[in-house]
Amino acid sequence: QKEVEQDPGPLSVPEGAIVSLNCTYSNSAFQYFMWYRQYSRKGPELLMYTYSSGNKEDGRFTAQVDKSSKYISLFIRDSQPSDSATYLCAMSEGGTSYGKLTFGQGTILTVHP
Amino acid sequence: DAGITQSPRYKITETGRQVTLMCHQTWSHSYMFWYRQDLGHGLRLIYYSAAADITDKGEVPDGYVVSRSKTENFPLTLESATRSQTSVYFCASRPPLAGDEQYFGPGTRLTVT
Repeated sequence: QKEVEQDPGPLSVPEGAIVSLNCTYSNSAFQYFMWYRQYSRKGPELLMYTYSSGNKEDGRFTAQVDKSSKYISLFIRDSQPSDSATYLCAMSEGGTSYGKLTFGQGTILTVHP
Repeated sequence: DAGITQSPRYKITETGRQVTLMCHQTWSHSYMFWYRQDLGHGLRLIYYSAAADITDKGEVPDGYVVSRSKTENFPLTLESATRSQTSVYFCASRPPLAGDEQYFGPGTRLTVT
């Protein structure tokens, strides 16, 4: 079983929809949680960063962390065609020498006009 | 512009050839990383470096060599390329005294024939 599980999709939604992307994990020591957005043939771009449990909002994006359930989510409100990309979750324990990140496989999202 | 650059962006080489992928960052981040991204495997860490002249193996180091004589450069060398090393390679960096978030370059798409 992978340490981080992410539904690869693909996920296809109409413009304006609310999108929910999720990851589950098994390592209870994870404390830092990130979401990256990766456009086709580009590098991953850090989208959201949260520490421990709770919510964080940035414009149309909301990241949620539920450590008791070992579950993190990224919500995209009023989705736009420009949101079409692969979304990767990543997490780390913190406190390691170099900050090892464990990534999910990525969810491919397409937003149709 | 500030950030991470990688060169070349695309490379085709033959089996057995030596290939060097370049990574340069302008942030003076202490930590730098090399990943490969493959379908079905996601992002896998090849090598990382904590500072100039300090490097260590990641998850999949076999067949690769790194060096870091200057903080801003972190080249990755495939000593004798194999077809299994056909992949997209990403360089990343992490600022000191931060959480574990990493910032990625645009990637190098390498094909070994």
